[in-house]
Amino acid sequence: QKEVEQNSGPLSVPEGAIASLNCTYSDRGSQSFFWYRQYSGKSPELIMFIYSNGDKEDGRFTAQLNKASQYVSLLIRDSQPSDSATYLCAVRLGGGGNKLTFGTGTQLKVEL
Amino acid sequence: DGGITQSPKYLFRKEGQNVTLSCEQNLNHDAMYWYRQDPGQGLRLIYYSQIVNDFQKGDIAEGYSVSREKKESFPLTVTSAQKNPTAFYLCASSRVAANNEQFFGPGTRLTVL
Repeated sequence: QKEVEQNSGPLSVPEGAIASLNCTYSDRGSQSFFWYRQYSGKSPELIMFIYSNGDKEDGRFTAQLNKASQYVSLLIRDSQPSDSATYLCAVRLGGGGNKLTFGTGTQLKVEL
Repeated sequence: DGGITQSPKYLFRKEGQNVTLSCEQNLNHDAMYWYRQDPGQGLRLIYYSQIVNDFQKGDIAEGYSVSREKKESFPLTVTSAQKNPTAFYLCASSRVAANNEQFFGPGTRLTVL
């Protein structure tokens, strides 16, 4: 079992819809959770982080964390074509110091 | 204008050559990291450093070496011992603190000819 798992996609949503991206992790001691957006050929850009159970909202983005079920999700409201990218989930595992473990990413396509 | 710079953007290497990738940051971050990304793959940690003159191996350190002589700089050398070095190399930095966020440089794309 991989430490951080994501569906590779592509996930296709129409413009204006809500895109839901999911990530599961294996280590119950994991402490911090991050979502990065990566456009093709570019480096990852941090868009959200969450540490506590529940929801965290920032503009059109909402991160949801459920430690009991060991998943973290990212919701993108009013999806735009510019949101089309690969979204990487990263987890700071318990006992991992400052290291992050990344999932393989989910490709999102927002269609006109 | 704070940030992380990497050079060169593109690098071509002949088999058997060592090459060094540069990473500089002016964010006053103590921790720096090197990752490798292959097509369709996530990021894999090569080396990281939390303080000057100290660094630790990540998950795929074989065939790579690093140094951390200055807080701002963390160069990565890809040696001839790395059998499949063609990849996208990403440098990141962060504070050394609980729940730290890592920020990435623009990356170097290395191709072996």
